[in-house]
Amino acid sequence: EAGVTQFPSHSVIEKGQTVTLRCDPISGHDNLYWYRRVMGKEIKFLLHFVKESKQDESGMPNNRFLAERTGGTYSTLKVQPAELEDSGVYFCASSQVSGAGELFFGEGSRLTVL
Amino acid sequence: GENVEQHPSTLSVQEGDSAVIKCTYSDSASNYFPWYKQELGKRPQLIIDIRSNVGEKKDQRIAVTLNKTAKHFSLHITETQPEDSAVYFCAASNEIKAAGNKLTFGGGTRVLVKP
Repeated sequence: EAGVTQFPSHSVIEKGQTVTLRCDPISGHDNLYWYRRVMGKEIKFLLHFVKESKQDESGMPNNRFLAERTGGTYSTLKVQPAELEDSGVYFCASSQVSGAGELFFGEGSRLTVL
Repeated sequence: GENVEQHPSTLSVQEGDSAVIKCTYSDSASNYFPWYKQELGKRPQLIIDIRSNVGEKKDQRIAVTLNKTAKHFSLHITETQPEDSAVYFCAASNEIKAAGNKLTFGGGTRVLVKP
């Protein structure tokens, strides 16, 4: 069974540019999460989808970040325009069971904003 | 909201020795405490978890203890091996409150096992 896949693995962009990160969850997993690890600090929650609906987006830092999950399958996270402080590793995770159980993580997308 | 502190940030041990990582949490309503291991360049993977209705859980060389009164939990790795070298993250969540499993993570501990 394929795990959670993320693309790209690494993106280097200049301040002010736009980047779109993609996550393909494990097939059949209704729950999809985005997390971010900045500057070697803790992994921080960004938002949670249940199928195509945003269940909780309390961790989204500001309106430069837009997440979508059209059709309830893969998800995209767009940063526009990117700022220097957006640099970090963006993790996607999925789970089958709401409210409990293991989160399966992708390998992350490393974003470097110059 | 929940806040999780993790110590130490780095830990170097000799192969065969034990390693202990400690975490504290702030929200007494948290009831689920997983530990994730991230090897270099790989994805974080769940290695063990504990729920608030038990005080200790063991799986081969790893064990987790939970003290709800003090709001802290610890990961214990015995007989460490080079393949235990990785970054370890503790986390906490309220499985009842949350419609999903919104984890609050600690800052991570980089463990190096020296042969």
